[in-house]
Amino acid sequence: AQTVTQSQPEMSVQEAETVTLSCTYDTSESNYYLFWYKQPPSRQMILVIRQEAYKQQNATENRFSVNFQKAAKSFSLKISDSQLGDTAMYFCAFRGSNYQLIWGAGTKLIIKP
Amino acid sequence: ETGVTQTPRHLVMGMTNKKSLKCEQHLGHNAMYWYKQSAKKPLELMFVYSLEERVENNSVPSRFSPECPNSSHLFLHLHTLQPEDSALYLCASSQEGAVRTDTQYFGPGTRLTVL
Repeated sequence: AQTVTQSQPEMSVQEAETVTLSCTYDTSESNYYLFWYKQPPSRQMILVIRQEAYKQQNATENRFSVNFQKAAKSFSLKISDSQLGDTAMYFCAFRGSNYQLIWGAGTKLIIKP
Repeated sequence: ETGVTQTPRHLVMGMTNKKSLKCEQHLGHNAMYWYKQSAKKPLELMFVYSLEERVENNSVPSRFSPECPNSSHLFLHLHTLQPEDSALYLCASSQEGAVRTDTQYFGPGTRLTVL
């Protein structure tokens, strides 16, 4: 069975710093998608970034980028120049051939002023 | 953030009550989902509807009963719940459902407390 592990329950950094959230997954499939979702306090879950396993180039969305290491089954999220509005729960998710999203338990990220 | 709406936002109910959660999507999507979110646990997928037909049912207790009258509306009917059912219930929608690239759009959730 596929699993997604986020080993950091909570992280805290100063505003403007760079922070990396870790995610590892387990699968025997070769073609799949990986996602990072963000859930701000009392606000809706939104997609931050996604990566297709067949693409070697790491996905980037403005200040958000991923480090996708397929052999190591690692999919970390880097947030550059962190802002107060980045404070949220961040969830890593995997989607393979059965089309269900498999979720990690989340990392609570706090950006301090 | 108004693409997927959920009502009510908060609900407190006793174990013998019957209530319903409502979800509406304004994005023209064909698939809708119910998730249960408990603290420090991964999201649990409860039900998936694609083109108004249920396609996933992850061994959810029968005290939860979904209904999808059309592609824009999704309900979760609740009866004789247990205190361990207290959680945030999230609704989501997506364009296709059975496509790996499909992005899910979430509602704000209903915070359910069972006394």
